[in-house]
Amino acid sequence: DIQMTQSPSSLSASVGDRVTIACRASQTISMCLNWYQQKPGKAPNLLIYAASSLQSGVPSRFSGSGSGTDFTLTISSLQPEDFATYYCQQSNSTLYTFGQGTKVEIK
Amino acid sequence: QLQVQESGPGLVKPSEILSLTCSVSGASISSYYWNWIRQPPGKGHEWIGSISNRGSTNYNPSLKSRVTISADTSKNQFSLKMISMTAADTAVYYCARAVRRWLPTGTSGGYYSYMDVWGKGTTVTVSS
Repeated sequence: DIQMTQSPSSLSASVGDRVTIACRASQTISMCLNWYQQKPGKAPNLLIYAASSLQSGVPSRFSGSGSGTDFTLTISSLQPEDFATYYCQQSNSTLYTFGQGTKVEIK
Repeated sequence: QLQVQESGPGLVKPSEILSLTCSVSGASISSYYWNWIRQPPGKGHEWIGSISNRGSTNYNPSLKSRVTISADTSKNQFSLKMISMTAADTAVYYCARAVRRWLPTGTSGGYYSYMDVWGKGTTVTVSS
């Protein structure tokens, strides 16, 4: 299995802050990396696919970068509705695996 | 607009069989890939398996011996059957569509998959 490791596991930030979340794969996955946002009691919501492509309808303050084994999700200016947990997921292998999540909390 | 909706029992006894159905509206299951994912309480997501538009299946090796995914194109539904349920299978179960598309990334482009539409999830508790 390809292991996905996110860091940090949680962070506290204020509205307007720039936030960066890292995701590392245990082996190279090209750009086969997706990012999801999940709020309590809700299903995951796709933000970024193929490492850097913004899903339709997602605000442009979200961006993704990286390739190979190291990836980053950036929120350029944190908004109140962005407080949630973020997950990376690899699709390079037919066995999809997810990171353990990064919880973004209000400072 | 594409919607997917899980249905099934909220409570299953240990050793029994879980059967869940995902109803799809706004798209045909004869296209795309259709997935089951679960999330135990307070934990991360585990991909269970998928069925393709051609009916081929792919399972998580850790669950493969207990899981069957099938599709009913006449009802535009796909289903999950999991045998020998234990308390460790208590989780929210989601169905989701996966898109596979070619993108002009890097030097030559490539195919990428992502799950773009998810159901709201259904909570399954395994308890006697």
